[in-house]
Amino acid sequence: GAGVSQSPSNKVTEKGKDVELRCDPISGHTALYWYRQSLGQGLEFLIYFQGNSAPDKSGLPSDRFSAERTGGSVSTLTIQRTQQEDSAVYLCASSLAGTSGTEQFFGPGTRLTVL
Amino acid sequence: AQKITQTQPGMFVQEKEAVTLDCTYDTSDQSYGLFWYKQPSSGEMIFLIYQGSYDEQNATEGRYSLNFQKARKSANLVISASQLGDSAMYFCAMREGADSNYQLIWGAGTKLIIKP
Repeated sequence: GAGVSQSPSNKVTEKGKDVELRCDPISGHTALYWYRQSLGQGLEFLIYFQGNSAPDKSGLPSDRFSAERTGGSVSTLTIQRTQQEDSAVYLCASSLAGTSGTEQFFGPGTRLTVL
Repeated sequence: AQKITQTQPGMFVQEKEAVTLDCTYDTSDQSYGLFWYKQPSSGEMIFLIYQGSYDEQNATEGRYSLNFQKARKSANLVISASQLGDSAMYFCAMREGADSNYQLIWGAGTKLIIKP
């Protein structure tokens, strides 16, 4: 079956513009995560969706960042008024119901470059 | 304080040798899980192995094993008989708690290079 897909794979934008990043999780996976990976670094948690529960937004770095998940499937991460420090690879992952031990399956990421 | 510490930013290992990648963690939870992921230069994150805090046996998956020492809070990854294709970044990650928040907390990674 298809894995996690993300689009676009690369996005170059000018400082101050808004961007939308899309994630299509694996069908049937109820948990969806967004992470950010800066060059040469580990992953930084951004936001987590689990089924119909309110998302855990505790990792969002500022109010310029928001995410939604429609119909429990596709998710969109929106960054408003982008800054150069937002440049990173944004990774989406999904997993079965959020129980301990369940691995997260990652998409290929979106490389965001803010000029 | 760092929750996940990987002290080896980079390692060179001769092909066919075994390699141990270090990971120590910090949590006050009794229930937690430890993961290792591989990230080749292509960028995708590949799950390798998982160890639960209540698992009594060390996890093994093919050439990968996890040396889990709970009292020392360490979860080192052992790769036996290394291959050129093992060259990649390796990340240790932890999930705290048995319910609610399931985000993974990540270490900074170790870059492993296998020499022919």
